[in-house]
Amino acid sequence: EPEVTQTPSHQVTQMGQEVILRCVPISNHLYFYWYRQILGQKVEFLVSFYNNEISEKSEIFDDQFSVERPDGSNFTLKIRSTKLEDSAMYFCASTQSSGSHSPLHFGNGTRLTVT
Amino acid sequence: GNSVTQMEGPVTLSEEAFLTINCTYTATGYPSLFWYVQYPGEGLQLLLKATKADDKGSNKGFEATYRKETTSFHLEKGSVQVSDSAVYFCALSESPGGTSYGKLTFGQGTILTVHP
Repeated sequence: EPEVTQTPSHQVTQMGQEVILRCVPISNHLYFYWYRQILGQKVEFLVSFYNNEISEKSEIFDDQFSVERPDGSNFTLKIRSTKLEDSAMYFCASTQSSGSHSPLHFGNGTRLTVT
Repeated sequence: GNSVTQMEGPVTLSEEAFLTINCTYTATGYPSLFWYVQYPGEGLQLLLKATKADDKGSNKGFEATYRKETTSFHLEKGSVQVSDSAVYFCALSESPGGTSYGKLTFGQGTILTVHP
């Protein structure tokens, strides 16, 4: 069964550095998402992306964050200047359509540790 | 705004015990409801879903019924196995077809441990 792939599985970075988290969604999917889970807290929606543009974003997704689909297969999340509070598990997800028959498929996540 | 509340965990059961994990929600309109499961070291996997009131979602022996009158979507399984040990997340999304359908609101997750 096709799956969403995220790399790396664990990223350690210093405060103030830029990080790029990478995702390869399922190939025929059209809608893409990033979620994050700070340790011990809820999984939170960050951003949705469709037709090469952001369709919705949460208040968490400020100017430090950006997303891109650079080549038709990868979907990246960039954090420009990381803060300690950005430490979390980041999940990428994709779905084929916006209908109820098309569930979200999640990747295994990237654990980001900011020191 | 939308919110989901799950029962506090962790939940520890013996094999073949009955499982209930409570989930209640607050939402405008007619959300779709989901249970996701996360096994150790893996991503979130859809376990079951229901898209309208009185629908029952079921998969792998797990069931949940969309109760609009009590705004609940409790997860049940009649006889748990050790392999069911995982974190279970209740979630909702806006009505299907809208641009926000994939924007899920999650509960805090419930850790289930099943002992032999």
